[in-house]
Amino acid sequence: AQTVTQSQPEMSVQEAETVTLSCTYDTSESDYYLFWYKQPPSRQMILVIRQEAYKQQNATENRFSVNFQKAAKSFSLKISDSQLGDAAMYFCAYRSAGRNYGQNFVFGPGTRLSVLP
Amino acid sequence: EAQVTQNPRYLITVTGKKLTVTCSQNMNHEYMSWYRQDPGLGLRQIYYSMNVEVTDKGDVPEGYKVSRKEKRNFPLILESPSPNQTSLYFCASQRTGGGYGYTFGSGTRLTVV
Repeated sequence: AQTVTQSQPEMSVQEAETVTLSCTYDTSESDYYLFWYKQPPSRQMILVIRQEAYKQQNATENRFSVNFQKAAKSFSLKISDSQLGDAAMYFCAYRSAGRNYGQNFVFGPGTRLSVLP
Repeated sequence: EAQVTQNPRYLITVTGKKLTVTCSQNMNHEYMSWYRQDPGLGLRQIYYSMNVEVTDKGDVPEGYKVSRKEKRNFPLILESPSPNQTSLYFCASQRTGGGYGYTFGSGTRLTVV
């Protein structure tokens, strides 16, 4: 079974600075998808960014980018020019690409990010 | 607006009193799932459904029931709630194929006393 690990339970960053959240995963599959979700205090789960494992190019969405290292099974999230609204819990997630979806989504335990003014 | 509607948002109940949390999606998604979120554990899957009348257990199914009689609805039933089911619950749906992510409901904070 796949597992997702986020080794940093809490992190903080100064406003306007850059921060990187770590995520590693374990899988024997070659085709899969990786996601970062943001959960602000409103507790709504918001998709931040998505990466397809067969694509070598790292995904980017405005101030959010990932560093995807397939061989190392690492998927870190970089937030540039941090804003107060970025303060949230961030979850890394793995989704199998297999046809038998079943339990196809696995989440990490989360990293709580604080943004200091 | 494409969304997953989950109700209620907050619920306090007593041990043993049956309750249902409703979930409905308007995106015609085949796959729906229930998760519970607990501190330090992330989101753990309770049950999922790949289509109407097709449901299966996730990682933590004990004490829960689900049904999928219509494509849009996927209620979560706690027949006899216990304090260890106090948690934050999310319903989610996704398109099959293409590696799409989940669309989540707004969550239900359940407290069992």
